[in-house]
Amino acid sequence: NAGVTQTPKFQVLKTGQSMTLQCAQDMNHNSMYWYRQDPGMGLRLIYYSASEGTTDKGEVPNGYNVSRLNKREFSLRLESAAPSQTSVYFCASTGGGNSNQPQHFGDGTRLSIL
Amino acid sequence: AQSVAQPEDQVNVAEGNPLTVKCTYSVSGNPYLFWYVQYPNRGLQFLLKYITGDNLVKGSYGFEAEFNKSQTSFHLKKPSALVSDSALYFCAVRFFGGGNNRKLIWGLGTSLGVNP
Repeated sequence: NAGVTQTPKFQVLKTGQSMTLQCAQDMNHNSMYWYRQDPGMGLRLIYYSASEGTTDKGEVPNGYNVSRLNKREFSLRLESAAPSQTSVYFCASTGGGNSNQPQHFGDGTRLSIL
Repeated sequence: AQSVAQPEDQVNVAEGNPLTVKCTYSVSGNPYLFWYVQYPNRGLQFLLKYITGDNLVKGSYGFEAEFNKSQTSFHLKKPSALVSDSALYFCAVRFFGGGNNRKLIWGLGTSLGVNP
């Protein structure tokens, strides 16, 4: 089982460039999440999608947009990258009808913005 | 405000010794509690959870955690540490305060070092 797959694994951008981070899960999960991880700040939720067709803002949504393309895929877009968005980005998913299910994480995209 | 605290940024233990990684929380209602581990250059992996029932829960890789409602704590433990346990550990809590209840509140993480 692949679980949660993120692409690309690494990316370097220049300030002002745009890019889309891709995430796909093969566990038939309803809910998907995008986090960023920065040293000393733990995980911060950017956006989440409780189910196909819905998206909601998390703690730090500014500068990002998301698309829940279908049940499997949830993409994160940086329209105009800024150095402050240099981070490691993780996608996660969770399933089941109850909220006691753990989240499953991809291995991250390491993004540097110069 | 809902919050999770991991009071120690770093914990160091000798191989073979017991280890404890601390977590306390402040949420309303009955929380669901989780521990995750992160190895270098990897995503987080689920270790164990407390939902209800027995206060001592067992998880992957020999880890266990004890839920203490009066102290609002959920400390991660292992009787005998391995060098391979060296990693970053995160505590997380799901609370039910309205809105979408699938979001988690995350601690900042504790770096565990196990010395041979």
